[in-house]
Amino acid sequence: KAGVTQTPRYLIKTRGQQVTLSCSPISGHRSVSWYQQTPGQGLQFLFEYFSETQRNKGNFPGRFSGRQFSNSRSEMNVSTLELGDSALYLCASSLELGDTEAFFGQGTRLTVV
Amino acid sequence: GEDVEQSLFLSVREGDSSVINCTYTDSSSTYLYWYKQEPGAGLQLLTYIFSNMDMKQDQRLTVLLNKKDKHLSLRIADTQTGDSAIYFCAESIKSRSSASKIIFGSGTRLSIRP
Repeated sequence: KAGVTQTPRYLIKTRGQQVTLSCSPISGHRSVSWYQQTPGQGLQFLFEYFSETQRNKGNFPGRFSGRQFSNSRSEMNVSTLELGDSALYLCASSLELGDTEAFFGQGTRLTVV
Repeated sequence: GEDVEQSLFLSVREGDSSVINCTYTDSSSTYLYWYKQEPGAGLQLLTYIFSNMDMKQDQRLTVLLNKKDKHLSLRIADTQTGDSAIYFCAESIKSRSSASKIIFGSGTRLSIRP
């Protein structure tokens, strides 16, 4: 069974641009969560999606948004990129909402220049 | 509040046991986790413990939970060079909608010396 797939693996963007990251969960998993990992702030929860609806949200500005499709794949979008948005963005997949086990993808490393 | 704390570094000799400690503040956490992150990789779930348990053993890994003190530890027996990584302690907190979020500690970098 394939794991969590995140694309692209690496991305370089310029300040002010916007970016879309993609996450395909493990087959059969219906919940997708997103996390941001930076050296300064560590791992921080962004949001969780289940059945195409955002169910939980972390403390990030409105520039960070996401969505989930009917096949459970999820995208997150960051608009008006800032240098501080440079981070590893990790997606986690779970069978159900609030499930015990969350399986993480390799992440997308975003660099904003 | 939601806060998970762990020491930043641990160095152990190959073959010895490693003990990584963590404290958390939210008493409503349902599960507590240990994740491993190797360079350039995502997070690998090592083990987890339900908040009403006090110990869980899985091969070389032993998790101890002291709920009264909100203290969690991970013991790795017979530490090997392949255990070199960053280990994250984390707690799962459920919201009223049954959604959950995982709050992570800052990670403990485990290095193995020969």
